[in-house]
Amino acid sequence: KAGVTQTPRYLIKTRGQQVTLSCSPISGHRSVSWYQQTPGQGLQFLFEYFSETQRNKGNFPGRFSGRQFSNSRSEMNVSTLELGDSALYLCASSLGGVSLITDTQYFGPGTRLTVL
Amino acid sequence: QKEVEQNSGPLSVPEGAIASLNCTYSDRGSQSFFWYRQYSGKSPELIMFIYSNGDKEDGRFTAQLNKASQYVSLLIRDSQPSDSATYLCAVYSGGGADGLTFGKGTHLIIQP
Repeated sequence: KAGVTQTPRYLIKTRGQQVTLSCSPISGHRSVSWYQQTPGQGLQFLFEYFSETQRNKGNFPGRFSGRQFSNSRSEMNVSTLELGDSALYLCASSLGGVSLITDTQYFGPGTRLTVL
Repeated sequence: QKEVEQNSGPLSVPEGAIASLNCTYSDRGSQSFFWYRQYSGKSPELIMFIYSNGDKEDGRFTAQLNKASQYVSLLIRDSQPSDSATYLCAVYSGGGADGLTFGKGTHLIIQP
């Protein structure tokens, strides 16, 4: 079974621009979560989508948004980029469903975003 | 603010020995606990999860959970140089706006 895929793998943008990142989950997985990883803050939860609906959201500004399509693929958008947005953006997929206690997340390779 | 604490290390362990990685969490309502391994420049890879008090074994790995002490650990038996990586502890508290809360990881070095 193919794993989680993310595109692009690397991006370089300048301040003020916007960016869209894409994530294709493992086949059969309906939940997609997005995380930001930086050396200083570690892995931080951005949001989670399930069945095309945002189910959970972390403490990030509104410049960070996402969506999920009917095939469970998800996109994340960051508008008005800031230098501090430079990070590794990771997408994780899971089966989803009612009980999240045992819902195991599998990570994609990530998109490395550099903001100049 | 839900927090997950890990000693950043580096933790240096001789090859063949047992590596013990520890994690504490602040939210007493936390329900499930995950250990991920992350090699430099790579994404996190799931090792195992646990949600009941006690021990759970999977090959060379054993996860231990003590909810009363808000403590979870990962033991790696017969450590190999390929186990050298950063180990991330993640906690799911159930609902709300947190998703998985991650610790900042422990850097483990297995010395040949």
